[in-house]
Amino acid sequence: QVQLQESGPGLVKPSETLSLTCTVSGGSISGYYWTWIRQSPGKGLEFIGFIYYSGSTNYNPSLKSRVTISLDTSKNQFSLKLSSVTAADTAIYYCARFYGARLRSGYYYYMDVWGKGTTVTVSS
Amino acid sequence: DIVMTQSPLFLPVTPGEPASISCRSSESLLHSNGYYYLDWYLQKPGQSPQVLIYMGSNRASGVPDRFSGSGSGTDFILKISRVEAEDVGVYYCMQALQSRTFGQGTKVEIK
Repeated sequence: QVQLQESGPGLVKPSETLSLTCTVSGGSISGYYWTWIRQSPGKGLEFIGFIYYSGSTNYNPSLKSRVTISLDTSKNQFSLKLSSVTAADTAIYYCARFYGARLRSGYYYYMDVWGKGTTVTVSS
Repeated sequence: DIVMTQSPLFLPVTPGEPASISCRSSESLLHSNGYYYLDWYLQKPGQSPQVLIYMGSNRASGVPDRFSGSGSGTDFILKISRVEAEDVGVYYCMQALQSRTFGQGTKVEIK
């Protein structure tokens, strides 16, 4: 059974870069889309972006200028970098897998496996 | 951005009774392929969200059949035919037509 585990610093200073890693166990990172979601009291659940195992990415337009998602297939990991953070970036950050449900033409993707989440606080 | 609005925001329920949650989007969620790009997730206390329904009305693997989703255009409903104690938590709808945005959440508690 596939499991995801987020890791990274729990405290980041304002204006610095938040860096998190999601380790995939019990399955391969290949063949799937992988995503980052965050949850804060102020903004609820917020989609950050996703990456395909080939390396192609898609980001939330509101965060696009600050976000980079990458992956390392050799380590079965994917990562999130969010630059120039402020207190508004304080949140629980989740990684998740997109599962593709087959349609007559193409696929529909929904998040079927989630990590437990990691809390990141932005404070000096 | 497509804005998702859920109602009610708080729903006290009685075990064994039905319950329903409404989700309205600011734009139609009908894709050109004929499917509705709307999911429902449940976040149980202290846990990560888990998928219940995808494409408006399809139950995800392992989801009990007391959960059902319906709707069209901009209006969608999640129904629980007979609430069980384990169904407490916060329910979110999420649109997947343009990027992804979530509703504010509906907190379901046992009366």
